[in-house]
Amino acid sequence: DTGVSQNPRHKITKRGQNVTFRCDPISEHNRLYWYRQTLGQGPEFLTYFQNEAQLEKSRLLSDRFSAERPKGSFSTLEIQRTEQGDSAMYLCASSPGSGTSEDQETQYFGPGTRLLVL
Amino acid sequence: AQKVTQAQTEISVVEKEDVTLDCVYETRDTTYYLFWYKQPPSGELVFLIRRNSFDEQNEISGRYSWNFQKSTSSFNFTITASQVVDSAVYFCALSYTGGFKTIFGAGTRLFVKA
Repeated sequence: DTGVSQNPRHKITKRGQNVTFRCDPISEHNRLYWYRQTLGQGPEFLTYFQNEAQLEKSRLLSDRFSAERPKGSFSTLEIQRTEQGDSAMYLCASSPGSGTSEDQETQYFGPGTRLLVL
Repeated sequence: AQKVTQAQTEISVVEKEDVTLDCVYETRDTTYYLFWYKQPPSGELVFLIRRNSFDEQNEISGRYSWNFQKSTSSFNFTITASQVVDSAVYFCALSYTGGFKTIFGAGTRLFVKA
């Protein structure tokens, strides 16, 4: 059973460019989450998918951010017109859609994509 | 509102010492879940333990143990006989049924010196 994978692991871009990150959840996990983590802070929730449906979005997710999960498997997070304030670690997590409530609430995280906007 | 507070920013111990990481949470929900995650220098958050709001029984799992007290809204985590490999940032987290998201504390950085 492989864990959550994220690509790329690192991304350096210039301000104003668009970037896209990919997340592959644990197979058979139908819940998928995106978080952002800045230095010295805990992860902050961005958005949540159950299968292909995006059920919740944080106010942190400005209109420059868009996330998709077209077939209910992998997900992409795109940032348009990047700004220096977007520099952070972007974490993806997944959790099972079955089992006990505890099982469903337990999220397993990928290694993250570290973004640096110059 | 949901909130998780980890008052300890950094803790430094010598190998083989026991160390307790504090966590205080706020929630109005009656059904919720508490977690501890470890983030080593590699960056990946690793799930360690969880507890639901209806189960205040404290447990031990290997070198890890936890103390959940609803009366004080605390969920403290103890590492017994710490090792250098335990050096990492530890996050306490709270989620609630149907909330879809998990709220994390700011983390406690643990240094274990040989």
